Formats: sequence, C-alpha cells, structure tokens
Amino acid sequence: QKEVEQNSGPLSVPEGAIASLNCTYSDRGSQSFFWYRQYSGKSPELIMSIYSNGDKEDGRFTAQLNKASQYVSLLIRDSQPSDSATYLCAVREIQGAQKLVFGQGTRLTINP
Amino acid sequence: DADVTQTPRNRITKTGKRIMLECSQTKGHDRMYWYRQDPGLGLRLIYYSFDVKDINKGEISDGYSVSRQAQAKFSLSLESAIPNQTALYFCAAQGSGSSTDTQYFGPGTRLTVL
Repeated sequence: QKEVEQNSGPLSVPEGAIASLNCTYSDRGSQSFFWYRQYSGKSPELIMSIYSNGDKEDGRFTAQLNKASQYVSLLIRDSQPSDSATYLCAVREIQGAQKLVFGQGTRLTINP
Repeated sequence: DADVTQTPRNRITKTGKRIMLECSQTKGHDRMYWYRQDPGLGLRLIYYSFDVKDINKGEISDGYSVSRQAQAKFSLSLESAIPNQTALYFCAAQGSGSSTDTQYFGPGTRLTVL
C-alpha cells in the first residue's frame, strides 16, 4: 500500500505570515503531485499540481517538490484568514490504475 | 470544472436499509470515483470506473456496490447500511490523457446511519 503522510495539525499561523505544509510519500517513482484545499463540510478543490523537481508558483501559493527526498510542500505567502482550511496532499500511483493516494490532510488556521 | 453533481446532499437512514447515492458529471470525463471521508482519515477510495464497462474496487469496497449507468452517471449503493458507514461521500471525475490529470470533486453527500 502506497503511503502519503502529512502532519494532521492543527497548524496555526498569524495573518500575513508564511504557512508551510509538508507531505512525504513512499513510492520513489511517483511523478504527479497535487495539493487540494478543503473548507469544512465542502469538497476538495485543486489548488496546485507539480510534476518536476523544484518550485512552482501560482499567486500566493508555491509548491515545492524534492523527489530525491520524497517530499512535496506547499507554501502560502501573506496568509489570510480565508486560507484557513484543511490541505490535502495527493500522489498519483505510477503503476496499475494510477489512482490518487491522499494524505490525511493538515488543518491550517490563520489567526487575524 | 467538471461540473460534478451529487444527490442527495444529506441523508439520514436506519441500519439495514438500502440506499443509493448518485453522481453525474457534464464534461464527458471517462473516469469516475467514489470516496468516503472520515475525520482524521483523509479520502479513501471505495470504487472507481474508467468507462461504462470497467468497474474496479478501491481500498474499502466491502459493504458497497456501484453502477456506471452511462459515461456521465456513477451510482454508489449501500445494500444494508450500518452505522460505521456514516461519513461524507464524494464523487469525482477525471479525463484521461496527460492534459486532463485533475480530479474534480462533487459537493459531497453527508450520510448518517442510525
């Protein structure tokens, strides 16, 4: 069973600071990585995908991938109270049906 | 977005009852998925389908069955509901091919089994 691990939190960050969310995965050959945001009681919403080592930036969000160390992270700059949510890391299996494997999620709270 | 819809949005039922959750998507995506979510456990895959004739079990398929009635419709059934099936259920759709790598989720169905 392929595993994706996240710190469940809660992670508390002051407004305006950088929030850093981390995820590790067990399958060394994985190629596709995703970050979803989920507000309480709502469905997951894709915010970032990353496929290559290094950083990928989209607005206030930056995804970082290090395949050698098998981790992927999400940085949120200038954190806003509206960023308070659970963030799910997902990794696509490289064999078989290539399903997404989700971590348990990190609950992030931005304090005004 | 894939415009994925789920019905019902909320359902309360009793132990032993049969219940069906329905999912539809309007973008013609080939792949559809059913997940359940429990607090602290993330999303766990129940069943998935890559086309009408292709149905596959996920990691927690026991106690569930599915039907892919058409490319756009994928239903999840609980033949005899039990209390530990109380959870939030999500349907997702995804296109095939490298340009459509994203899973889009429906709004969810909150199921309570008494």
